[in-house]
Amino acid sequence: ILNVEQSPQSLHVQEGDSTNFTCSFPSSNFYALHWYRWETAKSPEALFVMTLNGDEKKKGRISATLNTKEGYSYLYIKGSQPEDSATYLCAFDNTDKLIFGTGTRLQVFP
Amino acid sequence: NAGVTQTPKFRVLKTGQSMTLLCAQDMNHEYMYWYRQDPGMGLRLIHYSVGEGTTAKGEVPDGYNVSRLKKQNFLLGLESAAPSQTSVYFCASSGGLEAFFGQGTRLTVV
Repeated sequence: ILNVEQSPQSLHVQEGDSTNFTCSFPSSNFYALHWYRWETAKSPEALFVMTLNGDEKKKGRISATLNTKEGYSYLYIKGSQPEDSATYLCAFDNTDKLIFGTGTRLQVFP
Repeated sequence: NAGVTQTPKFRVLKTGQSMTLLCAQDMNHEYMYWYRQDPGMGLRLIHYSVGEGTTAKGEVPDGYNVSRLKKQNFLLGLESAAPSQTSVYFCASSGGLEAFFGQGTRLTVV
């Protein structure tokens, strides 16, 4: 059983706050770690796919880091905006399977 | 530019009925996945395929069968639907990195 855990389960922040979420995953049979953004009534969309230990990716105000040796990844949002409200999913990729965590639901209040 | 298309979008079944969900992708992707989404459970992998003619069990395969006779199509079958299979089903495909999702199928079994 591949265990992918995300924390916190939910987060409420004020507009302008910076925030971060954690994803923990198995450190063996690792191929890639994915982050997805999932808005209500839509389909998940990829933010980042990271494959190398120490990888850091950035897209606008959102960034992510990867530690494959200890099995964790962080997603950071700088200066949260109401449009950042969504569920953020991480997924462990061992080449064949893509196993998702249960997600962190972020709500940003104006 | 369709990407990943799921049919149908909605369906109501009676307990014991059978049905097939179709996922079609036009990106020539090798990998295809079927997930179910339930409240508080995130996306759970039902079955997956690493190429035409191959299928494998995911985290929650019981009660479902799949086939990948053509590279672009991945079919999910329910032979005898049960109320516990009421869920939103998502299909995804990948060329080896990020996954692209269909719009989901909302299935209710009464």
